[in-house]
Amino acid sequence: AQSVSQHNHHVILSEAASLELGCNYSYGGTVNLFWYVQYPGQHLQLLLKYFSGDPLVKGIKGFEAEFIKSKFSFNLRKPSVQWSDTAEYFCAVNARDFNKFYFGSGTKLNVKP
Amino acid sequence: KAGVTQTPRYLIKTRGQQVTLSCSPISGHRSVSWYQQTPGQGLQFLFEYFSETQRNKGNFPGRFSGRQFSNSRSEMNVSTLELGDSALYLCASSLVEDGTQYFGPGTRLLVL
Repeated sequence: AQSVSQHNHHVILSEAASLELGCNYSYGGTVNLFWYVQYPGQHLQLLLKYFSGDPLVKGIKGFEAEFIKSKFSFNLRKPSVQWSDTAEYFCAVNARDFNKFYFGSGTKLNVKP
Repeated sequence: KAGVTQTPRYLIKTRGQQVTLSCSPISGHRSVSWYQQTPGQGLQFLFEYFSETQRNKGNFPGRFSGRQFSNSRSEMNVSTLELGDSALYLCASSLVEDGTQYFGPGTRLLVL
């Protein structure tokens, strides 16, 4: 069965630290890849997405992610986090053959001021 | 464009009752998906509707059902509520061509 793994369940960083959240998926077919963010008390918002082309994609609020096909990975990065980045981050994969969305279990990021 | 809207936002029910949740997608979006979000299980896919037809289904019991109307609005129904059904129920809509899911604020259901 297809699955999405987010290895870090809870990350604590200080402001200005760099962030990298891991995401791996298990599906050999064509995929669209996404990162969503859920700020406290708010609904899920799209951070960025990858469909094709340049494997390094840039999203909102300074986030970027790199698709490495050989590693089935789509890691999220930000060079310098802010307190306002405190949120839960979800990786998602759309297996295009089935048009089904699979979400990772989420990573809670806590940025200390 | 207005975002995905869900009603009601909060709901308290007792075991054995049934509940109906409503979702209005973004204008022009014909695909609507439902998810259950809980602290322990994360985001779990319930089902997806497109053109009034259920196109995909997750691993939930038959007590969970849904439908879509001709204007793409969708409802989900949970019958014979159990304590474990307490969760945030999220609706997401997407363009068929794109597939990107846009989420509503959710309906928080508490079963007592």
